[in-house]
Amino acid sequence: ETGVTQSPTHLIKTRGQQVTLRCSSQSGHNTVSWYQQALGQGPQFIFQYYREEENGRGNFPPRFSGLQFPNYSSELNVNALELDDSALYLCASSLGGIAETQYFGPGTRLLVL
Amino acid sequence: GQQLNQSPQSMFIQEGEDVSMNCTSSSIFNTWLWYKQDPGEGPVLLIALYKAGELTSNGRLTAQFGITRKDSFLNISASIPSDVGIYFCAGRLLFSSGTYKYIFGTGTRLKVLA
Repeated sequence: ETGVTQSPTHLIKTRGQQVTLRCSSQSGHNTVSWYQQALGQGPQFIFQYYREEENGRGNFPPRFSGLQFPNYSSELNVNALELDDSALYLCASSLGGIAETQYFGPGTRLLVL
Repeated sequence: GQQLNQSPQSMFIQEGEDVSMNCTSSSIFNTWLWYKQDPGEGPVLLIALYKAGELTSNGRLTAQFGITRKDSFLNISASIPSDVGIYFCAGRLLFSSGTYKYIFGTGTRLKVLA
């Protein structure tokens, strides 16, 4: 148990729809990162939020956006869903700082039909 | 997307054997992490390395941060059936802006035969 929770656990959407995924970070952690993990691949970094601001971004298009709230929980929004967006979406929380390490939630599995 | 090269891709070993896997990159990292992921779950942190040359152990696991800062290895001694899973390395890139991102490896799938 890492103390990081995600909802929902599974989701089915159709192409063109929009989706919002949620993450509650471990108590005291102020940094949340989001990852996309396609089947058989390692996690791909989407972006990171630190104290409610985006703090780094991977190679994902603008239709992937996020929010972090004052309690440090976070949302990942994906607009105009494509079939290739089908994946496990992971969030990870950390305390921030040079020596920080991140702890992952169980993920949300998204299927786009 | 960008991923680090992990080898081997998969391995079958007998219970009790030692396991070694490594991770290489064309980029320099200031942090290396090793994770284990079980089916249907998120990755779980095993070991974190912060300095070039650092050797760190966690029970039967030992990992090293390569001197060149472009590689790392993970060893598992006396493997047991519950070691089965996918092992990922991850390197952290720190940018001059103060932002950073993690890049994960392609994974090593370990199966332990009792």
